[in-house]
Amino acid sequence: RKEVEQDPGPFNVPEGATVAFNCTYSNSASQSFFWYRQDCRKEPKLLMSVYSSGNEDGRFTAQLNRASQYISLLIRDSKLSDSATYLCVVNENDMRFGAGTRLTVKP
Amino acid sequence: NAGVTQTPKFRVLKTGQSMTLLCAQDMNHEYMYWYRQDPGMGLRLIHYSVGEGTTAKGEVPDGYNVSRLKKQNFLLGLESAAPSQTSVYFCASSWSNGRQPQHFGDGTRLSIL
Repeated sequence: RKEVEQDPGPFNVPEGATVAFNCTYSNSASQSFFWYRQDCRKEPKLLMSVYSSGNEDGRFTAQLNRASQYISLLIRDSKLSDSATYLCVVNENDMRFGAGTRLTVKP
Repeated sequence: NAGVTQTPKFRVLKTGQSMTLLCAQDMNHEYMYWYRQDPGMGLRLIHYSVGEGTTAKGEVPDGYNVSRLKKQNFLLGLESAAPSQTSVYFCASSWSNGRQPQHFGDGTRLSIL
């Protein structure tokens, strides 16, 4: 079993849609959680950290469920510019990256 | 702000050749990392450093060596390149190991023929 697992997608959604990604992790001792965004042939960039109580940044909401060992990312009112691959990142002794979920937002 | 800079951006090598990838950061970060990214596998940690003069192995260290002689620079070496090392290599840096997010360079695309 992979340490960090994501649905690879692709998710194809129309503009304005709401889309949710889940990510599961295997190490219950993990302490820090992040979502990164990676555009095609570019480097990963931090989208948001994920806090225990859940957190929101504009159209983006991240949640953590420690009991079930998953984190989620919700994107509301999708824009064309949201098209990218979203990487789930979990800190154990070092950062472990999921393989990413690809999102395409279409007009 | 330059952030994290990687050189070169692209390189093609023949099997058995050697080369060094350079990573430089101007954020005074203590921690630096080298990853490789292959299709469908996500980022995998090759080596990392927790400070000047220190290095440690990551998840996939075989075939690579690193050095951190100066705090701002982290070098990744391939002594004898193999086709299996064809990948995109990313360098990253951070204030701490894991609790703070990492900042990435824009990658080096390496092909081994």
